[in-house]
Amino acid sequence: TQLLEQSPQFLSIQEGENLTVYCNSSSVFSSLQWYRQEPGEGPVLLVTVVTGGEVKKLKRLTFQFGDARKDSSLHITAAQTGDTGLYLCAGWHAFNDMRFGAGTRLTVKP
Amino acid sequence: KAGVTQTPRYLIKTRGQQVTLSCSPISGHRSVSWYQQTPGQGLQFLFEYFSETQRNKGNFPGRFSGRQFSNSRSEMNVSTLELGDSALYLCASSSLAGEGLEQYFGPGTRLTVT
Repeated sequence: TQLLEQSPQFLSIQEGENLTVYCNSSSVFSSLQWYRQEPGEGPVLLVTVVTGGEVKKLKRLTFQFGDARKDSSLHITAAQTGDTGLYLCAGWHAFNDMRFGAGTRLTVKP
Repeated sequence: KAGVTQTPRYLIKTRGQQVTLSCSPISGHRSVSWYQQTPGQGLQFLFEYFSETQRNKGNFPGRFSGRQFSNSRSEMNVSTLELGDSALYLCASSSLAGEGLEQYFGPGTRLTVT
């Protein structure tokens, strides 16, 4: 079982729709990171959330860190085809290794 | 600023052979981490090097090893390759080490073991 559970695993939506991706754990993380990965490339860091209850906005992307620092969500408003990719959440576990969720594969259709 | 570079980009090896992958971090970055990505297991942490010292290690067998040079470039070696070692191997660099660091990933080396 993954330490970080992401849902949904796959998501296919039309351009213009809104969506939310979730990242949940039974463990507390001091920070969580969100990445986006496109085919043939490495993950690209989108944001780091550090404080419980924190909300960060990056244009049409809104990231939230749960109050208990065990979960996080990524909300995309008015999705565009360029948002297509694999979204990964990650966090440091026990201060000695970084754990990634299995990812949410998002497809935005024109 | 040039990004993280990894060589080679693609590699095909036979079971039992060994392989060495190379990673050049962003200029000025002293931390390099290595990850294995497979469809079944996702992204898994291999190890992290900072200033030529291995700081952290994931749960992989001893066949996986690495090192970092004084110019922060890093190499990863896998000995006695198994079919299950087929994966995308990613390295990431950071100016700092450890928790909270912001990592910049390279494009990866796609290793196929036959």
